[in-house]
Amino acid sequence: DGGITQSPKYLFRKEGQNVTLSCEQNLNHDAMYWYRQDPGQGLRLIYYSQIVNDFQKGDIAEGYSVSREKKESFPLTVTSAQKNPTAFYLCASSIVGGSRIGEQYFGPGTRLTVT
Amino acid sequence: KNQVEQSPQSLIILEGKNCTLQCNYTVSPFSNLRWYKQDTGRGPVSLTIMTFSENTKSNGRYTATLDADTKQSSLHITASQLSDSASYICVVSVSGGGADGLTFGKGTHLIIQP
Repeated sequence: DGGITQSPKYLFRKEGQNVTLSCEQNLNHDAMYWYRQDPGQGLRLIYYSQIVNDFQKGDIAEGYSVSREKKESFPLTVTSAQKNPTAFYLCASSIVGGSRIGEQYFGPGTRLTVT
Repeated sequence: KNQVEQSPQSLIILEGKNCTLQCNYTVSPFSNLRWYKQDTGRGPVSLTIMTFSENTKSNGRYTATLDADTKQSSLHITASQLSDSASYICVVSVSGGGADGLTFGKGTHLIIQP
């Protein structure tokens, strides 16, 4: 059963703690992405990776970090430096043909609440 | 600045009725336009992708149109069902752009009432 999974679905943390969100895909896609979704706003790109061991910052990378040690996995760490971490986080993957981004497949999302 | 504007922000219609959602963009140079459906608390699911040369594409009861000259797209839903209740997101891709070349609209929240 191919797809992209995120865990956990809900995550609660205290302010000042780092937290890592998991994203795994078995679609054999080279590219993976992390987005943040806030009420009333469009999705905003945090980080993306087009190949193992390489990743680029998106529009709102400050306070976040990622790693891409395996093709299937692209975990996102929300650090204590992120001023407003409470949000819905979406992971996606796609094929990449040159610079052309193929259809993106999204995971089910993780809702992070920091108090 | 590349922008994608969607209207209306929210819409309520009765089950069985048709509706049309709008997407206007200022993205340039244009590569493709995508429509996604996002159920509450879930990830978006792709409905259609259209390139510059395509002016209509269907996916079941969903039909997307694209006018690249006026930089407008619409998503028409025929014979709506309760399961169509969701947010519909328009995404425009810049030609030659990578992941940071995608511009997302804020979405239209559609509610289908029985």
